[in-house]
Amino acid sequence: GNSVTQMEGPVTLSEEAFLTINCTYTATGYPSLFWYVQYPGEGLQLLLKATKADDKGSNKGFEATYRKETTSFHLEKGSVQVSDSAVYFCALTLRGGGATNKLIFGTGTLLAVQP
Amino acid sequence: EAGVTQFPSHSVIEKGQTVTLRCDPISGHDNLYWYRRVMGKEIKFLLHFVKESKQDESGMPNNRFLAERTGGTYSTLKVQPAELEDSGVYFCASSQEDTSYEQYFGPGTRLTVT
Repeated sequence: GNSVTQMEGPVTLSEEAFLTINCTYTATGYPSLFWYVQYPGEGLQLLLKATKADDKGSNKGFEATYRKETTSFHLEKGSVQVSDSAVYFCALTLRGGGATNKLIFGTGTLLAVQP
Repeated sequence: EAGVTQFPSHSVIEKGQTVTLRCDPISGHDNLYWYRRVMGKEIKFLLHFVKESKQDESGMPNNRFLAERTGGTYSTLKVQPAELEDSGVYFCASSQEDTSYEQYFGPGTRLTVT
C-alpha cells in the first residue's frame, strides 16, 4: 500500500543549527510529495512540494528534493530559528487514474528550537 | 480571501453523545476533505467531497460517522454515538478542482470524548 514514514520526534535544536527531518515513502504509481507545517494553535500549512523525481521544493529557507531512487523527501534547513518550532508532516498524494488526491501523511515530527 | 474555517475549535462530550463538526471551505473550492489525527499519530483521510457528492469515503471508520455537504458549500461531520476512540483532532481541507493538488487546511476541531 501507500505510506509515509518520517523520523520520530521531538527534535530539539539550538538556533542557527542545521535541520534534517527524514521522510521516506512507499507508493504505487507516481506520487506528488509535500511537507506541511503546523505552528502552535494553527492549522496545517503547505510548506513546500515536489511533483516529479529530482524536483526540489523550497520555501522560507526549507528545501526537500524528490529522490525516486531512494524513495525519500528529506526536509532540510541550513539555519533554524525559534519561529520554526512546529510540527512538520511529510505527505504524498497520487496523481491521475481517478485518484481522489487524498493526502497520506506521516506521523509528524515536533521541532523545538531553543534560543 | 477567507481561509477554511471550522467550528467548534474544541468539543468535550461524554461517550454515547452526539457531536456535529462543521467546515466552511474557501469560497469556490469544489473539493472538500475531512481528515483526523488521533493520539499524536498520523493524520488519516476520512472522506472527499466534490461539490455535494461523496467522491471517496473509504477512510470513514464506521457507520457512526456521517458526513454531508448539502448544496456543495459547507460540510458537517456527525459522530453518533461517540466513543472514546473518536477523540482526536478533525481537520477539514479544500482545494480547487483544477489546481495541482494543493489543499488548504482549517485549524481543526479538537474532539475529546470522556
